[in-house]
Amino acid sequence: QVQLQESGPGLVKPSETLSLTCSVFGASLSNFTHYWSWIRQSPGKGLEWMGYIYYSGTTNYSPSLRSRVSMSLDMSKNHFSMRLTSVTAADTAVYYCARSGFLGGSIVSDYWGQGILVTVSS
Amino acid sequence: SSELTQDPAVSVALGQTVRITCQGDSLRNYFASWYQKKPGQAPILIIYGENNRPSGVPDRFSGSSSGNTASLTITGPQAEDEADYYCSSRDSGGNHLVVFGGGTKLTVL
Repeated sequence: QVQLQESGPGLVKPSETLSLTCSVFGASLSNFTHYWSWIRQSPGKGLEWMGYIYYSGTTNYSPSLRSRVSMSLDMSKNHFSMRLTSVTAADTAVYYCARSGFLGGSIVSDYWGQGILVTVSS
Repeated sequence: SSELTQDPAVSVALGQTVRITCQGDSLRNYFASWYQKKPGQAPILIIYGENNRPSGVPDRFSGSSSGNTASLTITGPQAEDEADYYCSSRDSGGNHLVVFGGGTKLTVL
């Protein structure tokens, strides 16, 4: 059974960098059929796709976050990470990591972590 | 365009049929996928591709598409289907980006 688990600080100060890690169990990051994604949901708002990273290290980011987000993966630990710089209160959200892939012509996320709430506040 | 538009809220009587729609230019070229999201829980993929359900998703959920509109139909919704539903698709720009609709809150009366 595939499981993903987010970890990282629950509180980040404005202007600092938010760093989260997603540990993957039951699947390998080196599987070329999958992408590894980050999605967030701000309080009272909808889901927002942030981007994904491929096993090769290729990344694809949301245009709205491209200047501030970066993603990386560590094959030896089978986890992947996301960094978001210069955070503001608007970055307060539940952050989800997910396994994604091309299914039926769409890019879909079939396994998700439980989510981690990150609050940006001084 | 990279936008997907959904009605903010829809209600349905228990056991009736409800259709939740999603509109966007990218849907002319790519299928939508649909996610169910309940408070405090991670989203669940319920429909992808032309009309495919992952294992474990009840067959009362189905998907369809026409032109720039994708639809999620729930035939005989149950009380536990009350949730937010999000459509998602690839961006029409061909850059393998992903976009989500704004979500539809389904109330089962």
